[in-house]
Amino acid sequence: GENVEQHPSTLSVQEGDSAVIKCTYSDSASNYFPWYKQELGKRPQLIIDIRSNVGEKKDQRIAVTLNKTAKHFSLHITETQPEDSAVYFCAASSDNQFYFGTGTSLTVIP
Amino acid sequence: NAGVTQTPKFQVLKTGQSMTLQCAQDMNHEYMSWYRQDPGMGLRLIHYSVGAGITDQGEVPNGYNVSRSTTEDFPLRLLSAAPSQTSVYFCASSYSTSNNEQFFGPGTRLTVL
Repeated sequence: GENVEQHPSTLSVQEGDSAVIKCTYSDSASNYFPWYKQELGKRPQLIIDIRSNVGEKKDQRIAVTLNKTAKHFSLHITETQPEDSAVYFCAASSDNQFYFGTGTSLTVIP
Repeated sequence: NAGVTQTPKFQVLKTGQSMTLQCAQDMNHEYMSWYRQDPGMGLRLIHYSVGAGITDQGEVPNGYNVSRSTTEDFPLRLLSAAPSQTSVYFCASSYSTSNNEQFFGPGTRLTVL
């Protein structure tokens, strides 16, 4: 099956700085790569996703890049704000199954 | 729309007991799935369904059963609870296959003593 690795496990940034979270996957058949944000005690919520026929996607302060050859994808958050503090999960979807990374706990320091 | 709902929110079981976690969605989604979330391990897929009458195993299916008799409901059954099944369980649904946004329920926190 698919194996998704996510780094770093924790990340602290100053408010206004950028944050980058990286994921790698193993199954070249994976074709959908979403990112979820989970606040403490809450359910995961989709923040951005990318499909395998696209290299980059942006939504305001959030962007995702995908390198299919290297099998890695990254989440970029610019101009971070305290409300960006949460756990972020990457995932890869293949053959009707989702495989999640182990999460990155992001802290934005005011 | 209520979205994806789960009951109960919290549950404590003794080893060997059985129970059913309920999940329902009112978005007419074909794809539904169950995950467990453990500290440091992300979310792991237990079982999934691509439509009524069709279920399949995910990454960690042992000790769990599912059924999908209607599009709306996807219950998860713990056959004989074990302490290793202490976890937070999330149900999710999406339109069509898994290659679409997954909408998660609020979760069920299960403790097995």
